[in-house]
Amino acid sequence: EIVLTQSPGTLSLSPGERATLSCRASQSVSSSYLAWYQQKPGQAPRLLIYGASSRATGIPDRFSGSGSGTDFTLTISRLEPEDFAVYYCQQYGSSSITFGQGTRLEIK
Amino acid sequence: QVQLQESGPGLVKPSQTLSLTCTVSGGSISSGGYYWSWIRQHPGKGLEWIGYIYYSGSTYYNPSLKSRVTISVDTSKNQFSLKLSSVTAADTAVYYCARSGYSYGPGVFDYWGQGTLVTVSS
Repeated sequence: EIVLTQSPGTLSLSPGERATLSCRASQSVSSSYLAWYQQKPGQAPRLLIYGASSRATGIPDRFSGSGSGTDFTLTISRLEPEDFAVYYCQQYGSSSITFGQGTRLEIK
Repeated sequence: QVQLQESGPGLVKPSQTLSLTCTVSGGSISSGGYYWSWIRQHPGKGLEWIGYIYYSGSTYYNPSLKSRVTISVDTSKNQFSLKLSSVTAADTAVYYCARSGYSYGPGVFDYWGQGTLVTVSS
């Protein structure tokens, strides 16, 4: 199974700042089959990015994804108040789907 | 607009079988092109994919849970279900049903249910 490790565990930033979240895989993720989700308290996760860098429908362009192989990044260019949440990466390139443990993005 | 809704007991006794159903509206499971998954989240923790089913009945399970999991589909009711046997307190979690497939790829979850908390306790 591919293990995904996200860093940092918690990121404290202010609205308007740039957020950079990391996801590292224990082995190469085939075809960049890597997705990112946002989860707010009491809600189901929401798809942001798929294929490592493609935004899902309706996702603002301040969200961008990059990376390949074992290292992937989610960048939020200018944080809005509604962006403070937990973010998960997920790989679907292997037969068993796995998620990272999450990065909590909190208001500084 | 596709909607998914989980239903089932919120409390299950240890060693018993957890049973949940996901009802899909706004789209037909039998139209194909999509995989229907169960995913769980332990309290305050991350996400764990349990397995998925295709409308034809083909299934794939997380190897770590495979021996205890059965996912089935009832296309006439537009529902799919989860059974998890021999539960312990470690199976206490919020259980989500979700869709993946045609829109973004076989493992990308674009629609989720709201989740249902299942507690394992005597």
